[in-house]
Amino acid sequence: DGGITQSPKYLFRKEGQNVTLSCEQNLNHDAMYWYRQDPGQGLRLIYYSQIVNDFQKGDIAEGYSVSREKKESFPLTVTSAQKNPTAFYLCASSRIDAANYGYTFGSGTRLTVV
Amino acid sequence: AQSVTQLGSHVSVSEGALVLLRCNYSSSVPPYLFWYVQYPNQGLQLLLKYTTGATLVKGINGFEAEFKKSETSFHLTKPSAHMSDAAEYFCAVSETGNQFYFGTGTSLTVIP
Repeated sequence: DGGITQSPKYLFRKEGQNVTLSCEQNLNHDAMYWYRQDPGQGLRLIYYSQIVNDFQKGDIAEGYSVSREKKESFPLTVTSAQKNPTAFYLCASSRIDAANYGYTFGSGTRLTVV
Repeated sequence: AQSVTQLGSHVSVSEGALVLLRCNYSSSVPPYLFWYVQYPNQGLQLLLKYTTGATLVKGINGFEAEFKKSETSFHLTKPSAHMSDAAEYFCAVSETGNQFYFGTGTSLTVIP
């Protein structure tokens, strides 16, 4: 079955560390997205990519970085510059005409700073 | 600029009662409108969508929503709540069809 796989499901980060969240899809979708979810704030867009080797900043990109070397993969790195990284991170993908089909979401990674 | 407002961060209904979750949007052009559902510690699943055409849209699990341009609303309804409907619901809007903006979510509790 096609879908999006996010790993790990739970991740703990020490202060000052960089961590990378994995997102892989086998839906042959062109576009991929990273959202951050905090209680009471909904989903906020971090980065998105509509084509390999190209990506755009979303509303809260500071302290994060991404790469899109393969169509199937869109890893997110949470750097030490992100001061409040504890959150639930969701990866999504869509066909280029997302308006007609919507997004497909992964099951999320919960990141906690310890 | 696009924005989405979901009135009521928490809604409680009795099992069998009507479910009404409110969504209002601001958009300079006719928008694309979606409702998603999220169960605890999971990703979001598409419930239904409005793109063009009929303004009353039917989705999965008995949910439906009506696009009312004059009221800039896209409220989600279900005639009879089930215990399995307890979840968080998100409204999303896009002007371009590429980047969507999500509301802050409404947590639905169903009381037996």
